[in-house]
Amino acid sequence: EIVMTQSPATLSVSPGERATLSCRASQSVSSNLAWYQQKPGQAPRLLIYGASTRATGIPARFSGSGSGTEFTLTISSLQSEDFAVYYCQQYNNWRSTFGGGTKVEIK
Amino acid sequence: EVQLVESGGGLVQPGGSLRLSCAASGFTFSSYWMHWVRQAPGKGLVWVSRINSDGSSTSYADSVKGRFTISRDNAKNTLYLQMNSLRAEDTAVYYCARPRRDGYNYELDYWGQGTLVTVSS
Repeated sequence: EIVMTQSPATLSVSPGERATLSCRASQSVSSNLAWYQQKPGQAPRLLIYGASTRATGIPARFSGSGSGTEFTLTISSLQSEDFAVYYCQQYNNWRSTFGGGTKVEIK
Repeated sequence: EVQLVESGGGLVQPGGSLRLSCAASGFTFSSYWMHWVRQAPGKGLVWVSRINSDGSSTSYADSVKGRFTISRDNAKNTLYLQMNSLRAEDTAVYYCARPRRDGYNYELDYWGQGTLVTVSS
């Protein structure tokens, strides 16, 4: 099983600032990596797939990068609605796995 | 509009069984692989299982393999998850999810509201 490790567990950021979230895979997943946002009481929302492609309707302030084992989600200027938990997911083989999540909170 | 509505959750004793359903509408169900993802209270997302378009191929997380069975009825536009030998650690909200495109895909673009399964004596 491919283990996905996200860091930090919690990120405190002021509105308008940049947030950088990391995701590391225990072995190469190529570019088969997605990012999701989840707010309390809601289902997850797909943000990024293929490591760097924004899903439909996702604002340009969200960007993804990386390949192999190291990935980054960047939120260029945090808006109030962006404070949430973010998960990465690999799907390089038949058994997908999620990271443990990064909570982005208001500083 | 794509809709996914899960049902069948509830309280079950350890060792018991439960079958979850996910009713799909607003898209050609038979064209899409489908997935189950769960989330224990206050914890992260865990991918559970997936099934291909015609039901001939399935995959499972190690934690549920041999106990859970995913299936589908394309005539009824419904996805199922049969859960046997349930354990306390299976307690979670179970989501069904549809990928963003048909065929082989794990990029989960549509999610149901989830159904809570509680395993406790």
